[in-house]
Amino acid sequence: DTAVSQTPKYLVTQMGNDKSIKCEQNLGHDTMYWYKQDSKKFLKIMFSYNNKELIINETVPNRFSPKSPDKAHLNLHINSLELGDSAVYFCASSQPGQAVAFFGQGTRLTVV
Amino acid sequence: KNEVEQSPQNLTAQEGEFITINCSYSVGISALHWLQQHPGGGIVSLFMLSSGKKKHGRLIATINIQEKHSSLHITASHPRDSAVYICAVIAGGTSYGKLTFGQGTILTVHP
Repeated sequence: DTAVSQTPKYLVTQMGNDKSIKCEQNLGHDTMYWYKQDSKKFLKIMFSYNNKELIINETVPNRFSPKSPDKAHLNLHINSLELGDSAVYFCASSQPGQAVAFFGQGTRLTVV
Repeated sequence: KNEVEQSPQNLTAQEGEFITINCSYSVGISALHWLQQHPGGGIVSLFMLSSGKKKHGRLIATINIQEKHSSLHITASHPRDSAVYICAVIAGGTSYGKLTFGQGTILTVHP
């Protein structure tokens, strides 16, 4: 059973399009995250939600909008995609106070 | 300057060698993670440390809170250990596990 699952795994799209990446965790964790990994493999946090509430927003362009319909899901919607958005996006979850993070397998987004 | 610095950035070893990857950080932390990212891209948490030392199989992780430094050791390295190893910290007082990452160390173990 996959603990944190993301879909799709690969996403190729044209500039200007709007796309979504879905994330689901079956661990019962309260906190979920989106991280971006750039071409140099450097990971950086984008958002964090705790119990469906936004708690971290790391100066990400407002074209990126996370949505958490329930605490098991945290989806990432991106409007007006730009070439610089090409990266691998990782979803993760953890439980506050435990801090062990479980990562999804990543979504490789390529904007052409 | 990044809050979390790893060294070396690239490491090549022969099978069987003892490997050390270092991580230094500049902020007070509540915990430190060592993560492994395989060529396929998935990220796995190897260790979470707040003090002392942990061992799992051939992997050993240590942390010195006073010196703001952690090391990941691999004994008897094997080609399957080839991966990117990432150090990540949780800043002290952060209750929601926000991770700040090092730039990663690319390890290649040759047979």
